[in-house]
Order: sequence, then structure tokens, then C-alpha cells
Amino acid sequence: DTAVSQTPKYLVTQMGNDKSIKCEQNLGHDTMYWYKQDSKKFLKIMFSYNNKELIINETVPNRFSPKSPDKAHLNLHINSLELGDSAVYFCASSQDAATTGELFFGEGSRLTVL
Amino acid sequence: GEDVEQSLFLSVREGDSSVINCTYTDSSSTYLYWYKQEPGAGLQLLTYIFSNMDMKQDQRLTVLLNKKDKHLSLRIADTQTGDSAIYFCAEISTSNTGKLIFGQGTTLQVKP
Repeated sequence: DTAVSQTPKYLVTQMGNDKSIKCEQNLGHDTMYWYKQDSKKFLKIMFSYNNKELIINETVPNRFSPKSPDKAHLNLHINSLELGDSAVYFCASSQDAATTGELFFGEGSRLTVL
Repeated sequence: GEDVEQSLFLSVREGDSSVINCTYTDSSSTYLYWYKQEPGAGLQLLTYIFSNMDMKQDQRLTVLLNKKDKHLSLRIADTQTGDSAIYFCAEISTSNTGKLIFGQGTTLQVKP
């Protein structure tokens, strides 16, 4: 069983479109995250939710909107996609906000904006 | 500001030891981490060290921490081709609880 699963794995779309990436974890963790990895493999946190509440909101454009319907799910919706949004987006979870260094990552969703 | 730096590339021969180095800026970090990313996959936690320790050993992995110099290293003994991956050093931001700051990653290439 996959602990942290994201869909879709690959996403190719045109500039200006709106798209969503879904994430689910079956580990019973309280805290979930979205990270962005650029073409140089640099990894940066975007958002973090603890028990459905937003606790980290990095400086990302407000075109990016996370939603956590329950603590096992954290989805990422992106409006008006731009070329610079092309990256691999990773969902991750940790047992709670205190164990934020011990992350379990999904396999990533590679977004390509044309 | 907080920053974690690593060299970008390391190439070794199978059977040799690999040493991946990392420097960090936040001296208040309580834990420091090493993650491994295989091609096309997410990151996987390899090991971590508490800041009051100098060394931690886990099978083929040895982590060394020099707090004075803010230097962390990961040594892989008897490196295998399956160890080829990107290795990320990370620290937790003490100015923003819950934010893990990653280095740029070191690509380890293991030649047969």
C-alpha cells in the first residue's frame, strides 16, 4: 500500500489553464505539506496543514490554493498557470507538526506548462 | 537568513566510501537530516542526528556533526550502484517552526 499517494503523476497543460493535484496519506498523520522542486532539484516548502488547518504559507502566488477536506487529504489547485509553474510538486506528511523533519513523501507530480 | 549548502556532484567507484558534505547557518537547529531521492521518486528519510551528538552510525551510514563549524557529513561505506541518487541535507528552521530547509542536493554517481 502506498503511504502518500498523489495524482496525477504527470500533467501537461497550456498556459492560462487551471489544474489540481490531489494527495492522500494513509499513515494516520496529522500534518501534510506541499513542496515544489524546480529543474535544478531545489526543493522548497509551499504550504503545510496540521489537522486541516493552515500552519505554513510560504511566499507563493495566490494563484496557488491548497485545500484540506480532512487530515488525510491535501489538494493543490493552481489557477491561470504560467510557464514558471513547471516543476515537480511533492506532497508529504509527518506524524505531527513537531516531527516536521521526519517527512514521508509522495512520488511527485510533474507539471509541464506549455 | 537560513541557508543549507552542499556540493552538487560526487562520483565514486563501487566499493569505495562516499562522503557528502553540508554546511548550514542556523546554529539553533535541534535536528539535522539526510534524505535520499532516487530517479523519478520522492525523497526518503535516510537518517538524522540530534544537535548534541557528534556522530551517529547506522549500518553503512555514518553521520558526523561539527557544531562549531556548522558542518554535517554523510559517509556511505562500501558504496553500491544502488546508492546512486541525490542526497539532501536539511535543517529545521528555528525562526519558523515546521519549516524544513533543504540544501541543493548532491548527486552521487557510483561507477561499477
